[in-house]
Amino acid sequence: QLQLQESGPGLLKPSETLSLVCTVSGGSISSTYYWGWIRQPPGKGLEWIGSVSYYGNTYYNPSLMSRVTISIDMSTNQYSLRLTSVTAADTAVYYCAPDTGYIRRIDYWGQGTLVTVSS
Amino acid sequence: QSALTQPRSVSGSPGQSVTISCTGTSSDVGTYNYVSWYQQHPGKAPKLMIYDVSERPSGVPDRFSGSKSGNTASLTISGLQADDEADYYCCSYAGSYTHVVFGGGTKVTVL
Repeated sequence: QLQLQESGPGLLKPSETLSLVCTVSGGSISSTYYWGWIRQPPGKGLEWIGSVSYYGNTYYNPSLMSRVTISIDMSTNQYSLRLTSVTAADTAVYYCAPDTGYIRRIDYWGQGTLVTVSS
Repeated sequence: QSALTQPRSVSGSPGQSVTISCTGTSSDVGTYNYVSWYQQHPGKAPKLMIYDVSERPSGVPDRFSGSKSGNTASLTISGLQADDEADYYCCSYAGSYTHVVFGGGTKVTVL
């Protein structure tokens, strides 16, 4: 059973870069998951950010593609999210959420980490 | 504005059934049988309730069922219980460009 833990700064200023890491335990990051990130602004719905496959292919939400990078580190069993030029609209709870491909099912979720963008 | 359209809220009394609709397009729900549903209680991470339109993960009660007709998927909760009160989100694969779309969420209230 996978356990996922997000980590990273909780407060950013506008125009800064958001960097989060998801540490995977209870399984190998080289398994056949698509290691994804999903966010949820306070009081709002879920938004898929993107994912990276175990072999390094990336898939991004077209609306965020110009600002997002998701990468995987086999040596540390972690994967990461980088979102540049943040604004208040990027304030959200960020979840690591691996799926089995084609977003068919997300059985495991991190607890989520709140990132606030404020001057 | 979410890509998939869900009602903002539905309600029912204990023991009743409620159905939540999730309307997409021929580019997502209408083409792919990769529709899933998630339950989210306040302050918690979402929980998978249905995948592949109508499949239940182990541990999810059979009171939860999913279906699809055309561009609309549905989640039905039968024998409504107090703990079913939560937000529910539908999700669909949407092809090799858009990839993933979510619904805006539906709040289920148990009266």
